[in-house]
Amino acid sequence: QKEVEQDPGPLSVPEGAIVSLNCTYSNSAFQYFMWYRQYSRKGPELLMYTYSSGNKEDGRFTAQVDKSSKYISLFIRDSQPSDSATYLCAMLGGGAQKLVFGQGTRLTINP
Amino acid sequence: NAGVTQTPKFRVLKTGQSMTLLCAQDMNHEYMYWYRQDPGMGLRLIHYSVGEGTTAKGEVPDGYNVSRLKKQNFLLGLESAAPSQTSVYFCASSYSTTDEKAWTEAFFGQGTRLTVV
Repeated sequence: QKEVEQDPGPLSVPEGAIVSLNCTYSNSAFQYFMWYRQYSRKGPELLMYTYSSGNKEDGRFTAQVDKSSKYISLFIRDSQPSDSATYLCAMLGGGAQKLVFGQGTRLTINP
Repeated sequence: NAGVTQTPKFRVLKTGQSMTLLCAQDMNHEYMYWYRQDPGMGLRLIHYSVGEGTTAKGEVPDGYNVSRLKKQNFLLGLESAAPSQTSVYFCASSYSTTDEKAWTEAFFGQGTRLTVV
């Protein structure tokens, strides 16, 4: 079983819709939860991160962490065609020095 | 400031050939990583390094070797390439302090597309 599971999609929604992306994990030592965005043929870039449980908002993006359920989410409001990309969750913690990624969800926002 | 640079960007190998992928970072980062990315599999960690002269195995290390002789460079070697190693390889680096928060941002290279025929 992978430490981090993410539905690879693909996910296709109309412009302006609210998008929900999710990951589950098995390692209770994870404390830092990140979302990376990867455009086609590019390397991933950090979108936002959250420490422990709770919510974090940055513009149209909101990250949520529920450590009791080992479940994290990324919400995108008022989605734009420029948001079309692959979104990868990543996790870190417990003194581990390696960054563990989910499989990535490919998202397309249709104009 | 180039960030993380991977060399080469594309390569086609025949089965059994060897090659070395080079990753160079100019941010004075301590940690460096090699990942491979395959459809539906996400980024899987091959090997990583927490400092000059150190390396450790990740999730899928078999068939690969690494070296970190200089802090700014992290080399990934394939001694005898196999078709199963056809993939996109990404190198990443991140800061290292006693504050784990600084680890959350890993900077990635543009990737190396490797095909083994």
